[in-house]
Amino acid sequence: DTGVSQDPRHKITKRGQNVTFRCDPISEHNRLYWYRQTLGQGPEFLTYFQNEAQLEKSRLLSDRFSAERPKGSFSTLEIQRTEQGDSAMYLCASSLAFRTVDDTEAFFGQGTRLTVV
Amino acid sequence: AQRVTQPEKLLSVFKGAPVELKCNYSYSGSPELFWYVQYSRQRLQLLLRHISRESIKGFTADLNKGETSFHLKKPFAQEEDSAMYYCALSGAGASKLTFGTGTRLQVTL
Repeated sequence: DTGVSQDPRHKITKRGQNVTFRCDPISEHNRLYWYRQTLGQGPEFLTYFQNEAQLEKSRLLSDRFSAERPKGSFSTLEIQRTEQGDSAMYLCASSLAFRTVDDTEAFFGQGTRLTVV
Repeated sequence: AQRVTQPEKLLSVFKGAPVELKCNYSYSGSPELFWYVQYSRQRLQLLLRHISRESIKGFTADLNKGETSFHLKKPFAQEEDSAMYYCALSGAGASKLTFGTGTRLQVTL
């Protein structure tokens, strides 16, 4: 499978613990996005990178959240001191940003489902 | 602020009946509109986008700037169309997507 891959697929953690998720985008894609999806809602934007630069962060991304994309390849999303409200599906997507019609399609991973107990 | 509204959480139709999934948006500028679909146990995937003006799997969507709508239509529903459908909007520069809350389409015999 050469699509976007995310690891782990599921994570159960105790409140107050730190968790880290990984996303491997499609190899030639220079943009990488993180979204969060809760039950009954559509995905909500968290942050995105172009290559290694983090270009935008949502106000949803509190100080407990940090994302990195070293060397412009894979990305990690860390949540510190998890809270029950962090329970959600965390989706990663990647796209290729050039000035063509096809450069806006975002390809999604299968997500990491986080449950904070 | 950009916003996407999908008023129906669930749309149930019979096989062979026409389908229309509603989507309205608000955006101050020229948005790009998309429909994403998520079949059972699969990842979210792009169905179509307004700039391509194509029909995918028999679905079409026309951007109506006057009514700020991008409704998804199909003349004859098939069982395999049953899925979750999300309307999404992107601003200039092809950055973040703003999604609606989704509509579950259920096609029954």
